[in-house]
Amino acid sequence: EAGVAQSPRYKIIEKRQSVAFWCNPISGHATLYWYQQILGQGPKLLIQFQNNGVVDDSQLPKDRFSAERLKGVDSTLKIQPAKLEDSAVYLCASSLTPQATGELFFGEGSRLTVL
Amino acid sequence: QKEVEQDPGPLSVPEGAIVSLNCTYSNSAFQYFMWYRQYSRKGPELLMYTYSSGNKEDGRFTAQVDKSSKYISLFIRDSQPSDSATYLCAMSAGNAGNMLTFGGGTRLMVKP
Repeated sequence: EAGVAQSPRYKIIEKRQSVAFWCNPISGHATLYWYQQILGQGPKLLIQFQNNGVVDDSQLPKDRFSAERLKGVDSTLKIQPAKLEDSAVYLCASSLTPQATGELFFGEGSRLTVL
Repeated sequence: QKEVEQDPGPLSVPEGAIVSLNCTYSNSAFQYFMWYRQYSRKGPELLMYTYSSGNKEDGRFTAQVDKSSKYISLFIRDSQPSDSATYLCAMSAGNAGNMLTFGGGTRLMVKP
């Protein structure tokens, strides 16, 4: 079974530039998550989708971050304009169900460095 | 105060040692407790899952939850160099959605 795919793996940009990350979840997983993991910290949920609808985006900085999940499969996370403090690994995860008992499967992450 | 606290380590032990990893939390609504393992430059992977209080064993790994003390532990017996990773505790209240709150992770190094 193929895992969660993410790209690009690494991205370096200047502050105020924009960047986009792509995620393809495990086939059949209706729930998709984007997490931000700053070096030395645990992952922090940015946004959760159930199919193509948003379940929770309370911690997404909406003035600069946006995410979409068209057709309920692939998802894109965009940052515009980027700030220095956005340097982090952006992890995409998917699960079969939206319930807390469901296992989350994570991708390898997209590492962003903002200079 | 963070909702979930975890000693960042690093914790260095010799091969074969028993390892104890711990988390404390403040939200009494948490009912689902998990341990994820994260190797360097990889995404986290679920290691253990426990509901409410009690113990759960899986091979060399044992997870314990003490809700009265708001304290969870992961024990690793006969630790191996391949266990070297960052261990993240995660927990959820179990209401709508799968919103996990993660600890900051403890970095473990098992030396041969």
